[in-house]
Amino acid sequence: DAGVIQSPRHEVTEMGQEVTLRCKPISGHNSLFWYRQTMMRGLELLIYFNNNVPIDDSGMPEDRFSAKMPNASFSTLKIQPSEPRDSAVYFCASSDRAPSSYNEQFFGPGTRLTVL
Amino acid sequence: AQSVTQPDIHITVSEGASLELRCNYSYGATPYLFWYVQSPGQGLQLLLKYFSGDTLVQGIKGFEAEFKRSQSSFNLRKPSVHWSDAAEYFCAVGAQGNTGFQKLVFGTGTRLLVSP
Repeated sequence: DAGVIQSPRHEVTEMGQEVTLRCKPISGHNSLFWYRQTMMRGLELLIYFNNNVPIDDSGMPEDRFSAKMPNASFSTLKIQPSEPRDSAVYFCASSDRAPSSYNEQFFGPGTRLTVL
Repeated sequence: AQSVTQPDIHITVSEGASLELRCNYSYGATPYLFWYVQSPGQGLQLLLKYFSGDTLVQGIKGFEAEFKRSQSSFNLRKPSVHWSDAAEYFCAVGAQGNTGFQKLVFGTGTRLLVSP
């Protein structure tokens, strides 16, 4: 298996622009997680999906952020409009069990976002 | 609320020396505990996990961790460090989210430097 795939790996954009990050989870996994990593706040969970349904989005920082999972093999995290403080590494992770029980989360390589 | 503290931001160890990375957690019930490693430019990889049973857990790459309930700790150890172990290490605890589903709460990480 190719593991969790994220694209792009690096994104540089200007303030006010829309940014879309993409994730393909491991085939057969039914839980998907989006995280943000910054020096100041560490690794934060933004949102997670189970069977394509958003279960908990309490970590989404504000309305400028939105996430979708139209099918089991694809998810997007969108920021519109982007701001410099959104600069971070965004990770996608997937798991083969519902988050009602603990299981290993497999992380993608991340997308490094820089907003100028 | 559940939380994880990794008191050491950076640690430098000589190659071949032993290693211990500290992790303290705050959680009311029996915790589910994890150690992840992040190599530069990479996503997080699970080293080991503790759910129940034997309090000494063996992981990949020669790592082990010991759960000590009385100290609320889950320290990571390795008897002999290799230069390839240089990375950032994250401790995490499974926590119950707002919706009743479980999620991971990560510590801020410890960056391990290995000197020749």
